[in-house]
Amino acid sequence: DVKVTQSSRYLVKRTGEKVFLECVQDMDHENMFWYRQDPGLGLRLIYFSYDVKMKEKGDIPEGYSVSREKKERFSLILESASTNQTSMYLCASHRGGQATTNEKLFFGSGTQLSVL
Amino acid sequence: AQTVTQSQPEMSVQEAETVTLSCTYDTSESDYYLFWYKQPPSRQMILVIRQEAYKQQNATENRFSVNFQKAAKSFSLKISDSQLGDAAMYFCAYRSANNDMRFGAGTRLTVKP
Repeated sequence: DVKVTQSSRYLVKRTGEKVFLECVQDMDHENMFWYRQDPGLGLRLIYFSYDVKMKEKGDIPEGYSVSREKKERFSLILESASTNQTSMYLCASHRGGQATTNEKLFFGSGTQLSVL
Repeated sequence: AQTVTQSQPEMSVQEAETVTLSCTYDTSESDYYLFWYKQPPSRQMILVIRQEAYKQQNATENRFSVNFQKAAKSFSLKISDSQLGDAAMYFCAYRSANNDMRFGAGTRLTVKP
């Protein structure tokens, strides 16, 4: 089965720090996604990427940037972490392509980020 | 962007009974896919069921079935013969033709023994 690995399960950072959240998938998937999950708000799309070096803003991109230099790796960057970015962050991947639209997303285990 | 609305933050059901979770969505697209995912306390997201918008027949997967009303933009999940292991957060999701995917706010399902 596809494995999506997020580098940290728990992370504690200070306000103003630059934070990198890493996500790696091992099945040559074209599409990768970053969501944040908050109680009562569900999963909200931050950014997604449909190819190397390609990215699209999701619904809440403010305060975040992303990098996809290699197909297997999709990084989420918090340039200057703030307390309102305390959340759980989920990475996901998908094979991509029109013929695969009905296929499921594969999710990582999530990173619980606390910004103090 | 498409939006997905789950109006029930919490639901509970007695073991062996049936429960229905609601989901509505807003879109101008004609080609899309809908999903229900389950998230137990382990945080792992598990696909429960999926529905192609072009199919009129409602999808079923064992004890799980959907009521897909395309004109009403409604996609509810019915869980029959509820089991303790069904207790989880349930998320409704919409995928457009370009593969980006949006989720609802979730419904927390409690199963009472």
